[in-house]
Amino acid sequence: QSVLTQPPSASGTPGQRVTISCSGSSSNIGSNYVYWYQQLPGTAPKLLIYKNNQRPSGVPDRFSGSKSGTSASLAISGLRSEDEADYYCAAWDDSLSGPVFGGGTKLTVL
Amino acid sequence: EVQVVESGGGLVQPGRSLRLSCAASGFTFDDYAMHWVRQAPGKGLEWVSGISWNSGSIGYADSVKGRFTISRDNAKNSLYLQMNSLRAEDTALYYCTKDLYTSPSVGFDYWGQGTLVTVSS
Repeated sequence: QSVLTQPPSASGTPGQRVTISCSGSSSNIGSNYVYWYQQLPGTAPKLLIYKNNQRPSGVPDRFSGSKSGTSASLAISGLRSEDEADYYCAAWDDSLSGPVFGGGTKLTVL
Repeated sequence: EVQVVESGGGLVQPGRSLRLSCAASGFTFDDYAMHWVRQAPGKGLEWVSGISWNSGSIGYADSVKGRFTISRDNAKNSLYLQMNSLRAEDTALYYCTKDLYTSPSVGFDYWGQGTLVTVSS
């Protein structure tokens, strides 16, 4: 059971906009930044969003993050086949004194 | 080019020990915190342990506290994870990751390809 809750799956068609939610509590998302990671099949995870809504250099602006209260979302616009991957949210947890991850969302591009 | 390369994984019996290493290059190693993150086969990501740039701040997941020890040697640009009293549930791909900052955060901006640890009799 992950500390952060994500839907196990999501899907969309090419060109569509999809969102992936991440729910936490006051000890993690409610009081700390949210980060998002993309893991393509058979590869190591990649940092996609940091500090709620910042993109590392090289990450397309089709990817955006937001946070409200104890929940956060990752939005992907102009969906492409190469976006098919597992997506994980993460945040620092003050009670556990360390990072916690969501269980991951498998995104399928139909 | 930033690179982190893990080594030391393998098959080990329950209760035994293993030491993982991570060789870093392409960045000023002692300017950043470092972490170990693991992924059990077919499962999600789990943070294992993190260490600040000067080893002054160290943290562990509850699942490994008291059994695992993280350390770093800034002179050798290397990160280590000493794993004792290994259990079947420690079986996973272990990633070495670089932090965005000097103190541990959740921003893991570079990842190695991982080293597989299998705990089985």
